[in-house]
Amino acid sequence: SQQGEEDPQALSIQEGENATMNCSYKTSINNLQWYRQNSGRGLVHLILIRSNEREKHSGRLRVTLDTSKKSSSLLITASRAADTASYFCAIQGGSEKLVFGKGTKLTVNP
Amino acid sequence: DAGITQSPRHKVTETGTPVTLRCHQTENHRYMYWYRQDPGHGLRLIHYSYGVKDTDKGEVSDGYSVSRSKTEDFLLTLESATSSQTSVYFCAAAKGGDMEDTQYFGPGTRLTVL
Repeated sequence: SQQGEEDPQALSIQEGENATMNCSYKTSINNLQWYRQNSGRGLVHLILIRSNEREKHSGRLRVTLDTSKKSSSLLITASRAADTASYFCAIQGGSEKLVFGKGTKLTVNP
Repeated sequence: DAGITQSPRHKVTETGTPVTLRCHQTENHRYMYWYRQDPGHGLRLIHYSYGVKDTDKGEVSDGYSVSRSKTEDFLLTLESATSSQTSVYFCAAAKGGDMEDTQYFGPGTRLTVL
């Protein structure tokens, strides 16, 4: 399966700490994307990293990609209570379809 | 939600009844998708469309059909609802034609089949 697998399934931290989530996959990819889902809402795109990129930043987000290990990580620095959400990685291979993982549920305690 | 609406937002129905969910987008995106989200499974693709009248199956298409007669509308039909189809359904859209497309999601429809 091309599905990404996020780790950990759940993460609880204090406000101001950094949060790291990981995604592993099994096949070759065109790009890997990260999405956020607040409770009861639809998913929102956060960041896309191409297969030939190793690191990408967007505000407090840092994404890395290691294609040799078939893994990616999402780092949220200086977390806030508003970052509480589920985070999903999504794999895009050779088609217009994305294959989503099961997500990491992040809780940031004030 | 990037101009994507879903209707209804909540629905309770009985086993064996037909159900149609509607997704409407205002951004003229070429690609549209229907997913279901269940605890422990994440998002799974049901069907998708790559243009008017052009659709294809996803990972979990059994028991579902779709139609796209206009660019802006993508309908998901459960011909005869079963309890296993109780789920939250999300529609998404993407510009298309770019292998680095991102998807824009609607707010979801919570469907309960009794």
